[in-house]
Amino acid sequence: DAKTTQPPSMDCAEGRAANLPCNHSTISGNEYVYWYRQIHSQGPQYIIHGLKNNETNEMASLIITEDRKSSTLILPHATLRDTAVYYCIVGEDNFNKFYFGSGTKLNVKP
Amino acid sequence: EPEVTQTPSHQVTQMGQEVILRCVPISNHLYFYWYRQILGQKVEFLVSFYNNEISEKSEIFDDQFSVERPDGSNFTLKIRSTKLEDSAMYFCASRERRGEPQHFGDGTRLSIL
Repeated sequence: DAKTTQPPSMDCAEGRAANLPCNHSTISGNEYVYWYRQIHSQGPQYIIHGLKNNETNEMASLIITEDRKSSTLILPHATLRDTAVYYCIVGEDNFNKFYFGSGTKLNVKP
Repeated sequence: EPEVTQTPSHQVTQMGQEVILRCVPISNHLYFYWYRQILGQKVEFLVSFYNNEISEKSEIFDDQFSVERPDGSNFTLKIRSTKLEDSAMYFCASRERRGEPQHFGDGTRLSIL
């Protein structure tokens, strides 16, 4: 089962930052936090991941709390093309099978 | 940017027939995975494959399913005798090494008639 909890849906105005929260209170020390998104029925698209430190790449920023029990994905300037289901996944370092939850449906509105 | 490719994009098969779904993972990746997503439902893990053997499989991955890496580039999922409930999107993923993210293909839509 998924070890994460996310709100089922969120709205965001185009051009504004989208902040998507995720709770993973049972995360263990060797588990990473991964974020993916899925547009329609396409394959999940990797966005960003982290272990302890905050991370930033060209797509997004990932803020992980100090106790690692929750994280936030930030899309700094959301566009209509960012409308998708966003998944927060906790994966262990080993063979790392992913359990997908229901994710957050992000609706970016003009 | 290298990507995972899956063929065919859509496969239609009669119930009871065998089907093989094909994937070409990213070339330097070592870990391989199959997932499926029934329409309107969550993405579900099926199997992981490393060092030429299955490392983990889910309850869904029963004796009707098998995986193979027949050469250095392809990774296949075979369903021996398809059932109506096998209709789903099947996603292949690969990963370079531990700790790195999985990269997914765009899937094969399998329709069982």
